[in-house]
Amino acid sequence: QSVVTQTPSVSAAPGVKVTISCSGGSSNIGSNFVSWYQQFPGTAPKLLIYSNDQRPSGIPDRFSGSKSGTTATLDITGLQTGDEADYYCGAWDTSLGGEVFGGGTKVTVL
Amino acid sequence: EVQLVESGGGLVQPGGSLRLSCAASGFTFRDHCMDWVRQAPGKGLEWVARSRNLGSGYFTEYAASLKGRFTISRDDSKNSLYLHLNSLKNEDTAVYYCASGYFFHWGPGTLVSVSS
Repeated sequence: QSVVTQTPSVSAAPGVKVTISCSGGSSNIGSNFVSWYQQFPGTAPKLLIYSNDQRPSGIPDRFSGSKSGTTATLDITGLQTGDEADYYCGAWDTSLGGEVFGGGTKVTVL
Repeated sequence: EVQLVESGGGLVQPGGSLRLSCAASGFTFRDHCMDWVRQAPGKGLEWVARSRNLGSGYFTEYAASLKGRFTISRDDSKNSLYLHLNSLKNEDTAVYYCASGYFFHWGPGTLVSVSS
């Protein structure tokens, strides 16, 4: 059981906005930066968002992140078939002394 | 261009040992924090260990559940990161990824299978 929880799956039609939530506690999301990763089957994770809301170079602005208290959110606007993947949140946990990842959210494009 | 390439994975019996390597290029390795993350088949990401950079005294940190069996190390002269896995168990079967710069870049991973 992860200390950071995500909704296991989300389904939506192309073009709509999808919101993925990541719920943690005061020792992780509440006090440290959150990152988001995209992972396609059989490939390595890819950084989408760092420092709560920053996009690395090359990441489309359709992907945006935010944080409020102990919950972080990843929004995907204008959903595309190519966005079908697993998405993970991650944050350092000061109490555990390690990085914690959410269980992942599978995004399905209908 | 940043490149990370893991190697050393394979099939090992329970109780055995393995050393994974991660060859890095395209950035100043000694300046960067490096991590190992693993992913069991069909499961999510699990952080394994971190090696901080020279500026942080090469401090190492481990997932509590793994400490004592796994050891992270680095050789800045070879731009390489290592993970020594000891007393392996069936549940250690996973793809092991190395990542640089607080997970900014990831390697393709190397598969470790623990089975008799």
